[in-house]
Amino acid sequence: DARVTQTPRHKVTEMGQEVTMRCQPILGHNTVFWYRQTMMQGLELLAYFRNRAPLDDSGMPKDRFSAEMPDATLATLKIQPSEPRDSAVYFCASGLPDRVETQYFGPGTRLLVL
Amino acid sequence: SQQGEEDPQALSIQEGENATMNCSYKTSINNLQWYRQNSGRGLVHLILIRSNEREKHSGRLRVTLDTSKKSSSLLITASRAADTASYFCAFSGNTPLVFGKGTRLSVIA
Repeated sequence: DARVTQTPRHKVTEMGQEVTMRCQPILGHNTVFWYRQTMMQGLELLAYFRNRAPLDDSGMPKDRFSAEMPDATLATLKIQPSEPRDSAVYFCASGLPDRVETQYFGPGTRLLVL
Repeated sequence: SQQGEEDPQALSIQEGENATMNCSYKTSINNLQWYRQNSGRGLVHLILIRSNEREKHSGRLRVTLDTSKKSSSLLITASRAADTASYFCAFSGNTPLVFGKGTRLSVIA
């Protein structure tokens, strides 16, 4: 049963610390998305990649957030330094090359910045 | 904002009743999708309807799309307690999927 995996599932950290979230897309999927979900803003697209190349990261605060795909099986989202307003659930999703409109979501990383 | 809007924000019904959720959007779209999110979980794709389609069925789900009104509806028939979740519409045009804020559905047994 292929699925997107994300680690860690939960993260509590103090303001100013670096946070790294990891995502393993479904094997064969070449499109990867990072979302942030909060009660106030809903689900926001932060960045997405196709064939490991970043296509759009306009939704991401550039000064502290960075997203990369070191290889086809790993996507990372890093926050440095973290702030309390970054507290949210971060989702990774991946898509099939020929059906990119349908996205398969991971379970999310619940981040709390104190 | 391009974000879709679901209506109602919350819906509570008895098991066996039908649940209808609506979604409105502002831009031209290629397709519209509906996703479900159980508490503490990621979103799960339910159904996709293309801009040239008006209605689509999948099991107990029925989706309609009215591009002239820029709106879609999701009907869940004969609801079950297990249908309790948040439901999101998402649409794509020239950009990747844009999600609405969701409808929280509670089905009471």
